[in-house]
Amino acid sequence: SQQGEEDPQALSIQEGENATMNCSYKTSINNLQWYRQNSGRGLVHLILIRSNEREKHSGRLRVTLDTSKKSSSLLITASRAADTASYFCAVGLSTGFQKLVFGTGTRLLVSP
Amino acid sequence: EAGVTQFPSHSVIEKGQTVTLRCDPISGHDNLYWYRRVMGKEIKFLLHFVKESKQDESGMPNNRFLAERTGGTYSTLKVQPAELEDSGVYFCASSHPGAPGANVLTFGAGSRLTVL
Repeated sequence: SQQGEEDPQALSIQEGENATMNCSYKTSINNLQWYRQNSGRGLVHLILIRSNEREKHSGRLRVTLDTSKKSSSLLITASRAADTASYFCAVGLSTGFQKLVFGTGTRLLVSP
Repeated sequence: EAGVTQFPSHSVIEKGQTVTLRCDPISGHDNLYWYRRVMGKEIKFLLHFVKESKQDESGMPNNRFLAERTGGTYSTLKVQPAELEDSGVYFCASSHPGAPGANVLTFGAGSRLTVL
């Protein structure tokens, strides 16, 4: 069954605006991760938040996790054209090796 | 350090033919994973190696798919015979064996397979 489901499927904003993407999942998790994929490239790890954490920051990225609602959000502040990419959340069901379960992704377009 | 390298980047074959995809993980990464994304759908786990051993192959679609990891270094994923529904992008990823590094995967650029 599908775990991570991102919302919205597509998002179009102007440079300087903030972008928020949401992710919902179905079962208990060990951690939740966000990855970015630029066209034709591999997925790049952005940030990992553990199940006992509620919020995490990395540069212009802010991730929240609500395990009671089984949801997470990724906020990109002051977006840039270079942030244009697909963003995926992935849930890690255990510690150690990661059989990550991905969603379908959110396509973000940031216009200059 | 060099990243995860996948070859070929794109392969176009006819139904019934055989294709072999190759992945070279980051040196020292014992964990190696294969994932697949069919157009417009989620990225799905196929299998996981620790060194040369298959730890979890629960995501392999059927016996037309065969993955190997010779000597615990590079890995190959063979599809034989290929079917139309096998089209998609096949991603390889690797991770460091020790936690917390094991939680973070480094992905290759993917091999796009088109079956006609």
